[in-house]
Amino acid sequence: GIQVEQSPPDLILQEGANSTLRCNFSDSVNNLQWFHQNPWGQLINLFYIPSGTKQNGRLSATTVATERYSLLYISSSQTTDSGVYFCAVGLSGNTGKLIFGQGTTLQVKP
Amino acid sequence: DAGITQSPRHKVTETGTPVTLRCHQTENHRYMYWYRQDPGHGLRLIHYSYGVKDTDKGEVSDGYSVSRSKTEDFLLTLESATSSQTSVYFCAISKGGGRMDEQYFGPGTRLTVT
Repeated sequence: GIQVEQSPPDLILQEGANSTLRCNFSDSVNNLQWFHQNPWGQLINLFYIPSGTKQNGRLSATTVATERYSLLYISSSQTTDSGVYFCAVGLSGNTGKLIFGQGTTLQVKP
Repeated sequence: DAGITQSPRHKVTETGTPVTLRCHQTENHRYMYWYRQDPGHGLRLIHYSYGVKDTDKGEVSDGYSVSRSKTEDFLLTLESATSSQTSVYFCAISKGGGRMDEQYFGPGTRLTVT
């Protein structure tokens, strides 16, 4: 089956720093989403980005489908950015299920 | 916010007892999903539904059954709970009517089987 690998697994930043999270996947996908799971366990949608580039405030994402990777950029990080960031992909012809990576745990220190 | 609620939010039960978790949505989306989240495994699909009374298995369906008698409700039942089913359960919907559309998740149910 498809493999979804996220890097780095853990990341510690000082408030105000920038970071890049990476998601590699081993097959063509029809759906790619980035989520933030906050310390209370809630999964928050960040981007729906099967291809191209999107920006939302301090966050942006780029997916290069032909090279099978996606990047999530966080600029001027804040303590509220702490939590786990998941990349999830959906395959063509599939049930629509999402296959999740293992996540990147981000801690932003004040 | 996709109008998804889950109940109960927390439950402790004993091995061997039946448990039903409820997912309720307010926006009439066709596709609904049940995932479980465990340390070291991320989120994995248990069952999904593509319409009223239309359901199918996901990758970790053993020990679980589902029902969908109304568009807005998707029930997950553990017929005889085991300790390996201790997990956080998330319901999701696919917005936009297609199975490849963006998925949104409910708040989760934390289930402990003692």
